[in-house]
Amino acid sequence: DSGVTQTPKHLITATGQRVTLRCSPRSGDLSVYWYQQSLDQGLQFLIQYYNGEERAKGNILERFSAQQFPDLHSELNLSSLELGDSALYFCASSVGEVSYEQYFGPGTRLTVT
Amino acid sequence: GQNIDQPTEMTATEGAIVQINCTYQTSGFNGLFWYQQHAGEAPTFLSYNVLDGLEEKGRFSSFLSRSKGYSYLLLKELQMKDSASYLCAASNSGGYQKVTFGTGTKLQVIP
Repeated sequence: DSGVTQTPKHLITATGQRVTLRCSPRSGDLSVYWYQQSLDQGLQFLIQYYNGEERAKGNILERFSAQQFPDLHSELNLSSLELGDSALYFCASSVGEVSYEQYFGPGTRLTVT
Repeated sequence: GQNIDQPTEMTATEGAIVQINCTYQTSGFNGLFWYQQHAGEAPTFLSYNVLDGLEEKGRFSSFLSRSKGYSYLLLKELQMKDSASYLCAASNSGGYQKVTFGTGTKLQVIP
């Protein structure tokens, strides 16, 4: 158990819908990272927040957005969902803004039908 | 941009030693991560190398050569539970951090 929690564990929804994935970092960690893992593309970095502010952006689509709240939990919003968005979404956290060790949550498996 | 290459699959025998290689081409390279990921589970941190050389942690060691853009993960005394995917990932420098993952090497340990 890494100490990072993610909800929900599984999510099944239809194309065109919008969903919100939630992540609570380890106690004391200020950075939250979001990753997408699909079978054909491996693990892809989406976005990083540090203490409530966006810090780094990776391959995040415009239909996706995220935020980190004052209590440091983070939400990833996915809208206008497409079949290709079906994937495992991981959240990770670390103590600092530049991490040498990231702790991953168990992931949310999203299935778009 | 960043490009990371590692073998797709490897097979090794229980009790043996296996070396998983990773080459990278990046701009603004800072360091290299290795993660272990069992099927359907979250990645687990194994190591982070910033300086050249070998770092040993129990049965696992990781090596980095910055000049060659090359790293390897060495697993000794293989156990069946070591069957997993091993992800190599490069971290950029410059304050804000992006991590780029390779597609992973699926290691199968056989009796």
